[in-house]
Amino acid sequence: GAVVSQHPSWVICKSGTSVKIECRSLDFQATTMFWYRQFPKQSLMLMATSNEGSKATYEQGVEKDKFLINHASLTLSTLTVTSAHPEDSSFYICSARRKGLDEQYFGPGTRLTVT
Amino acid sequence: QQQVKQSPQSLIVQKGGIPIINCAYENTAFDYFPWYQQFPGKGPALLIAIRPDVSEKKEGRFTISFNKSAKQFSLHIMDSQPGDSATYFCAATSVNAGGTSYGKLTFGQGTILTVHP
Repeated sequence: GAVVSQHPSWVICKSGTSVKIECRSLDFQATTMFWYRQFPKQSLMLMATSNEGSKATYEQGVEKDKFLINHASLTLSTLTVTSAHPEDSSFYICSARRKGLDEQYFGPGTRLTVT
Repeated sequence: QQQVKQSPQSLIVQKGGIPIINCAYENTAFDYFPWYQQFPGKGPALLIAIRPDVSEKKEGRFTISFNKSAKQFSLHIMDSQPGDSATYFCAATSVNAGGTSYGKLTFGQGTILTVHP
């Protein structure tokens, strides 16, 4: 149990286009989902926290108009990178927290490359 | 105050050895301390976690030792295997305090573990 999926696993897009990444909790309800960004050989950097049915809370320095987060249901959150630029190229990972429990489970990540 | 400091940055052991990774925190509001294992190109996988009301927790070959007064915790991997070679992250969060920090993980810098055959 406690499986989190992400789609797509990798994506290449052209500068100026938008990309949507989906995060799903497959076998549990997630009241809260988190979005992270990870650069090579570095730790995870929290971008935003998303709660089902409410607006996401962004970390300081993260542009909310550029990284749009929607948490439409207890099993689905999406991250849309708008007007992507090469500096947005990174590994994006979501995590989901089980309803009523402490544990957070991570998705497999999405590798975004902007050309 | 939100930082979690992890050491060492990298660690090399022989098969069967017991690597130990250490973490220290400042924020006394932290009350949940998980460890994650990450392989290249993959998302982190939850290994084991501890709450501050116990000093040690063991799951399989993985053991967390927790020292509340020193605000330190560590991961021990017994009988390490080459398949354990990965990056390990400690993390900390507050799960009971509520508010905007509720459940947000603060990660350590990571430790790259290499287990030689």
